[in-house]
Amino acid sequence: EIVLTQSPDTLSLSPGERATLSCRASQSVSSSYLAWYQQKPGQAPRLLIYGASSRATGIPDRFSGSGSGTDFTLTISRLEPEDFAVYYCQQYGSSPGFGQGTRLEVK
Amino acid sequence: EVQLVESGGGVVRPGGSLRLSCAASGFTFDDYGMSWVRQVPGKGLEWVSGINWNGDNTGYADSVKGRFTISRDNAKNSLYLQMNSLRAEDTALYHCARADGPYYYYYGMDVWGQGTTVTVSS
Repeated sequence: EIVLTQSPDTLSLSPGERATLSCRASQSVSSSYLAWYQQKPGQAPRLLIYGASSRATGIPDRFSGSGSGTDFTLTISRLEPEDFAVYYCQQYGSSPGFGQGTRLEVK
Repeated sequence: EVQLVESGGGVVRPGGSLRLSCAASGFTFDDYGMSWVRQVPGKGLEWVSGINWNGDNTGYADSVKGRFTISRDNAKNSLYLQMNSLRAEDTALYHCARADGPYYYYYGMDVWGQGTTVTVSS
């Protein structure tokens, strides 16, 4: 079983700043089967990034993903007010699993 | 409109059973793998179970293996989760989610329902 660990648990930033969220896997994630989701209170998660670096349909280009193997990063280039939410990474190999989440809050 | 709508949640005693349903609309259901994902309020996401487009391959989290059974009826555009031997720790909001391809693995989850709440309590 691949365990995903996200850091930090909470990130406090201001609108306009750059956000960098990390996701580390306990073993290599095959073929970059790594996704990022955004979840706002009372809403279902929304797919942002798949294949480690491909943006899902309709996702603004301020969101970008990178990484391979065991280390992955979600970057939000300039934070908009609507970006403050909880972010999860997920590996979707043969036994999918999620990281514990990073809460992005307004500083 | 592409949509997933869950139903069947409720309050059940420990050891009891419940069957969740997920009705799909707005897309060709049998082109896609599907999963159930649960979330304890205020906590993170936990993948529970997945099924391929034709039902011939399924997977389960260790926490539910042997107690939960996933199935689908492509003629009815519906996904199911039969939950037996329920425990307090199964209490959560259960979402169904569509994989962006025919398998529940190898693809991200691009469409999500709003979820149905399961409460296991005596």
